Amino acid sequence: KAGVTQTPRYLIKTRGQQVTLSCSPISGHRSVSWYQQTPGQGLQFLFEYFSETQRNKGNFPGRFSGRQFSNSRSEMNVSTLELGDSALYLCASSSLAGGANEQFFGPGTRLTVL
Amino acid sequence: QQQVKQSPQSLIVQKGGISIINCAYENTAFDYFPWYQQFPGKGPALLIAIRPDVSEKKEGRFTISFNKSAKQFSLHIMDSQPGDSATYFCAASWADGLTFGKGTHLIIQP
Repeated sequence: KAGVTQTPRYLIKTRGQQVTLSCSPISGHRSVSWYQQTPGQGLQFLFEYFSETQRNKGNFPGRFSGRQFSNSRSEMNVSTLELGDSALYLCASSSLAGGANEQFFGPGTRLTVL
Repeated sequence: QQQVKQSPQSLIVQKGGISIINCAYENTAFDYFPWYQQFPGKGPALLIAIRPDVSEKKEGRFTISFNKSAKQFSLHIMDSQPGDSATYFCAASWADGLTFGKGTHLIIQP
């Protein structure tokens, strides 16, 4: 089985712009979660989608949003980018909903905000 | 509020030795405790996970010890090898997403 894929792998944006990241889960997996990884804050949960519905949301501002399509692929959008949004954005897929299940991570998208 | 505390931040172990990383949690609702390994430029990879109904789980050279009353769990890597050099994260969850520890940078010296 192919693993979790994320595109693009690297992205450079300037403050105030918006960005869309994409994640394709493992075939058959219906849950996609997004995480932000920074040196200072570590790995932090953004949100989870299951069957096109947002199930859970972490403690991030409304500038961070996402959606999931009928084929389970997911996109994450960040509007009005700030310097502090520079991070590695990881998506993880799971066959079951909720965090208490085996999650498989993709390689991440490295976002740099200038 | 850091709900999962991980220590040490960094660890150097000789080849063949035992690497031990500890985590403590606060939320008693957590019912799933995985450990992840991350190499530079890669996403975290699940190593081993445990649920609170058992006190120990072993998979190859990796063992999780779990102490529910103390709200602590640890990862033991036996016969540590240079290829084990990576960053290790403990995590905990119940219904929401994973809550991660800050990570331990492990170096295995040949």
